[in-house]
Amino acid sequence: AQTVTQSQPEMSVQEAETVTLSCTYDTSENNYYLFWYKQPPSRQMILVIRQEAYKQQNATENRFSVNFQKAAKSFSLKISDSQLGDTAMYFCAFMKGGATNKLIFGTGTLLAVQP
Amino acid sequence: DAGVTQSPTHLIKTRGQQVTLRCSPKSGHDTVSWYQQALGQGPQFIFQYYEEEERQRGNFPDRFSGHQFPNYSSELNVNALLLGDSALYLCASSLVRGGLDEQFFGPGTRLTVL
Repeated sequence: AQTVTQSQPEMSVQEAETVTLSCTYDTSENNYYLFWYKQPPSRQMILVIRQEAYKQQNATENRFSVNFQKAAKSFSLKISDSQLGDTAMYFCAFMKGGATNKLIFGTGTLLAVQP
Repeated sequence: DAGVTQSPTHLIKTRGQQVTLRCSPKSGHDTVSWYQQALGQGPQFIFQYYEEEERQRGNFPDRFSGHQFPNYSSELNVNALLLGDSALYLCASSLVRGGLDEQFFGPGTRLTVL
């Protein structure tokens, strides 16, 4: 069975600074995907960034980038130039490749961006 | 382009009652997944519907059942409600494309069981 672990329940960062959220996972699969989702107080879960396990290059989306270490089964999210609107719960999630397509989530990290 | 919509937004029930939650997928999507998110936890997969059939199920009892209609919308039914069923219920829709099934989430239904 796959598991996703987020060891930082809460984090805080000053506006315009950089913050890194940690995530580790456990799987015996070779074909899989990893995601970071953001859930602001409005509750809508929004996809921030995704990484295909077969790609060695780390994914980037504007101010968001990941550090994907496949051998270590680590998938951290870096947020650069933090903005007040980045305040939210961040979930790391795993999806096995193929037809199953269910997401397995970690317990989340609550990020507070301070002015 | 309308995203995923869910109704109702909030719901209060008492133990033993039954509840039905509804979800309309994003336009063009054919697959609906349901997740339960307890307070302070990550979402847990309940089940997934594709072509009106339950394609996969998570570790939830038979009290949780669902349905998908020909227009791809879906319902989640929970019978004999327990206090522990209080949670945010999220619906996600997707369209299998090129092997990656990106899921788009709705705003959720907050269920409180008293």
